[in-house]
Amino acid sequence: AQSVTQLGSHVSVSEGALVLLRCNYSSSVPPYLFWYVQYPNQGLQLLLKYTSAATLVKGINGFEAEFKKSETSFHLTKPSAHMSDAAEYFCAVSSGGSYIPTFGRGTSLIVHP
Amino acid sequence: NAGVTQTPKFQVLKTGQSMTLQCAQDMNHEYMSWYRQDPGMGLRLIHYSVGAGITDQGEVPNGYNVSRSTTEDFPLRLLSAAPSQTSVYFCASSASGREDEQYFGPGTRLTVT
Repeated sequence: AQSVTQLGSHVSVSEGALVLLRCNYSSSVPPYLFWYVQYPNQGLQLLLKYTSAATLVKGINGFEAEFKKSETSFHLTKPSAHMSDAAEYFCAVSSGGSYIPTFGRGTSLIVHP
Repeated sequence: NAGVTQTPKFQVLKTGQSMTLQCAQDMNHEYMSWYRQDPGMGLRLIHYSVGAGITDQGEVPNGYNVSRSTTEDFPLRLLSAAPSQTSVYFCASSASGREDEQYFGPGTRLTVT
């Protein structure tokens, strides 16, 4: 079985501040992990993906995530928030040959000027 | 290359009515899925398909039917709409070998009164 938990349904930061969105996963086998972003009134798009090649994964728009097996975490970070980063962010996991990822409940990122 | 397209964008139904949500992709992807997105619930898998003629149920299949007669199209049918089916519906597709990297359509916002 696989699952993800996203801590915090809303995260609010000031423009220029560090962005940290938390994701913990549960999987009985080594997982693939993803972050997707959903801008208002749009579908989801892939931000980045962890496949075991490297624990630090860089994605689009300056985001990155670090896989920590000991903490079963895959937190998403960005050093400096921009107003255009305001969106809903979803963490997802697939493992054990399951090609359909399981999504977390999402975290809404709010960026204040 | 249009990617994944969905029609209609918006739909209002009365309880008991039936309708079909259309989804098409032009990337020759083998895998296609339907999700519903509800506030605080993330994305929940309704049905998925691993190729033409092959479909299977996801987490919340009740009240929905699918078929996959071609690689390109994956329509979702609501047999007898209920207010509990008010949601935003997303179709997604992915390529063989990268099944868990999903490309999403823009969504259909459905209201059942």
